[in-house]
Amino acid sequence: DIQMTQSPSSLSASVGDRVTITCQASQDISNYLNWYQQKPGKAPKLLIYDASNLETGVPSRFSGSGSGTDFTFTISSLQPEDIATYYCQQYDNLLWTTFGQGTKLEIK
Amino acid sequence: EVQLVQSGAEVKKPGESLKISCKGSGYSFTSYWIGWVRQMPGKGLEWMGIIYPGDSDTRYSPSFQGQVTISADKSISTAYLQWSSLKASDTAMYYCVRHASGSSDYWGQGTLVTVSS
Repeated sequence: DIQMTQSPSSLSASVGDRVTITCQASQDISNYLNWYQQKPGKAPKLLIYDASNLETGVPSRFSGSGSGTDFTFTISSLQPEDIATYYCQQYDNLLWTTFGQGTKLEIK
Repeated sequence: EVQLVQSGAEVKKPGESLKISCKGSGYSFTSYWIGWVRQMPGKGLEWMGIIYPGDSDTRYSPSFQGQVTISADKSISTAYLQWSSLKASDTAMYYCVRHASGSSDYWGQGTLVTVSS
């Protein structure tokens, strides 16, 4: 099974800061990596698919990069509404998937 | 508009059975996989399994194989997740998702299942 190591587990930043979250796969997963945002009490929402593609309607301050085993999710300028937990998700085939442990993002 | 609407919250006792539902609309229900995701209280997301409503092809995560049953009724565009004998450890929020090309692009609102004596 492919394991995903997401870091940090929690993060505190100020409005306007650049925020970066990383996800490392235990083996090469090409670009088969997605990022989700889950606000408190809500279902997760797809933000980035295939490592770097922005889902329709998602603000451009969100971005993703990476391939192989190392991936990065970035918020270029943190906004108050970005307070949430963020998860990476790998799929080594179209039907099989595992999530990272999550990163809880708070405003400083 | 694509929507996945899940059944309401449930409170059950250990040993009871349960079937929760997820109704899809706004797209061709038989053309996309539907997955189920568990989120235990204060914890992360766990992939449980997936079904293709077009032919009922079903796959389970090893952690959930034998613990739950996933099914679908394409005539009413509804997928199901069921337990034959609930345990306290099944207490969680359960989400259904539309799964396409490796990503879960639409999520249901979640069904909270509480198992307590």
